[in-house]
Amino acid sequence: QLQLQESGPGLVKPSETLSLTCTVSGGSVSSSSFYWGWIRQPPGKGLEWIGSFYYIGSTYYNPSLKSRVNISVDTSKNQFSLKLRSVTAADTAVYYCVRQRGTGYGDYWGQGTLVSVSS
Amino acid sequence: EVVLTQSPATLSLSPGERATLSCRASQRVSTYLAWYQQKPGQAPRLLIYDASNRATGVPARFSGSGSGTDFTLTISSLEPEDFAVYYCQQRSNWLTPITFGQGTRLEIK
Repeated sequence: QLQLQESGPGLVKPSETLSLTCTVSGGSVSSSSFYWGWIRQPPGKGLEWIGSFYYIGSTYYNPSLKSRVNISVDTSKNQFSLKLRSVTAADTAVYYCVRQRGTGYGDYWGQGTLVSVSS
Repeated sequence: EVVLTQSPATLSLSPGERATLSCRASQRVSTYLAWYQQKPGQAPRLLIYDASNRATGVPARFSGSGSGTDFTLTISSLEPEDFAVYYCQQRSNWLTPITFGQGTRLEIK
């Protein structure tokens, strides 16, 4: 059974970098059949796609965040990571890592991790 | 960017009733439209993908339809566990952003 687990600090100071890692078990981030991505949800609000990557090294980012975001993969650890620079309070959200199919839908989700941006 | 507009924002129904949720896209997205259910404190759960395909383990009372710009999620007979927030999501191609609707809250009447 595929499982995804987010990890990282729950509190980040304004202007610093938010860093999260998603550990995948029961599947491989190197699979040619899937994309792997990050989606976030501010408290009490809707869902926002952050970005995704494909195993050949292609990355896709939401234009609204592109200048601040980087998604990378560590195939040796079967993990992928999110870095979001220069955070503000508006970046406070539950961050989910997700496995996506070619048509973009997410069929497996991590449980989510709340990251608060505050001094 | 494709904007998805869900209606209604809130739907109040009783168990056993039929629920019809709408998602309208600002431009054609073919059938690259998915529906998710989210309960408080939980991650979204995929219900329908590619507009009309039920995800693994999703009960047959959930069905999706539509193409182009107008899509519908139907729950034929509501069970108590179906009361939640529902989101639609589109991906027209990987060079344009994936977007979600703002959600429809399905509440017990």
